[in-house]
Amino acid sequence: DAKTTQPPSMDCAEGRAANLPCNHSTISGNEYVYWYRQIHSQGPQYIIHGLKNNETNEMASLIITEDRKSSTLILPHATLRDTAVYYCIVRPRTKTSYDKVIFGPGTSLSVIP
Amino acid sequence: DGGITQSPKYLFRKEGQNVTLSCEQNLNHDAMYWYRQDPGQGLRLIYYSQIVNDFQKGDIAEGYSVSREKKESFPLTVTSAQKNPTAFYLCASHEQGAPETQYFGPGTRLLVL
Repeated sequence: DAKTTQPPSMDCAEGRAANLPCNHSTISGNEYVYWYRQIHSQGPQYIIHGLKNNETNEMASLIITEDRKSSTLILPHATLRDTAVYYCIVRPRTKTSYDKVIFGPGTSLSVIP
Repeated sequence: DGGITQSPKYLFRKEGQNVTLSCEQNLNHDAMYWYRQDPGQGLRLIYYSQIVNDFQKGDIAEGYSVSREKKESFPLTVTSAQKNPTAFYLCASHEQGAPETQYFGPGTRLLVL
């Protein structure tokens, strides 16, 4: 799987957009970008994924650069409950029926009142 | 509401005692997983099951056992053979053929007295 680089921590004012970057310069053509987050003492939560087009769901938007070497997860109106560690994962859409999830260190986002 | 439930939220184990962690899902997912997370660490796979009455060892299965008698249930037993059981235990599941989009339970924190 392609390696990803994320800043270790970020702050965001409540109500503002939180933009979390992820670099994945060695991404392959068949690899997707996935985002999860983990709120303290809770299980990880799947947020969104994409291949090359920008994606949006009820939780967030994912912007992938045209060369696919980086992406940004956008939380449009951050709330205190969005304080969590955010993980960017790059991996192929596996054809196997089983596969474990592997997280790197992620970005610790603190939403400040 | 569909989801994964884990119980209890906190569990205390005495030396030499076996304890069982519950995981139930009503998402109609075939595949279920158990992970262990230590402070500041990523996830490590303990066991997984792709279908009822079948399960496979993950990376750190020693000292643990599981059963999958029903599709919706995948309990994990931490045996006395597990010498360092204090950790945060996470159960996950996914639709068939989509292991990269796993849904996680809220976790059980196991502490040794």
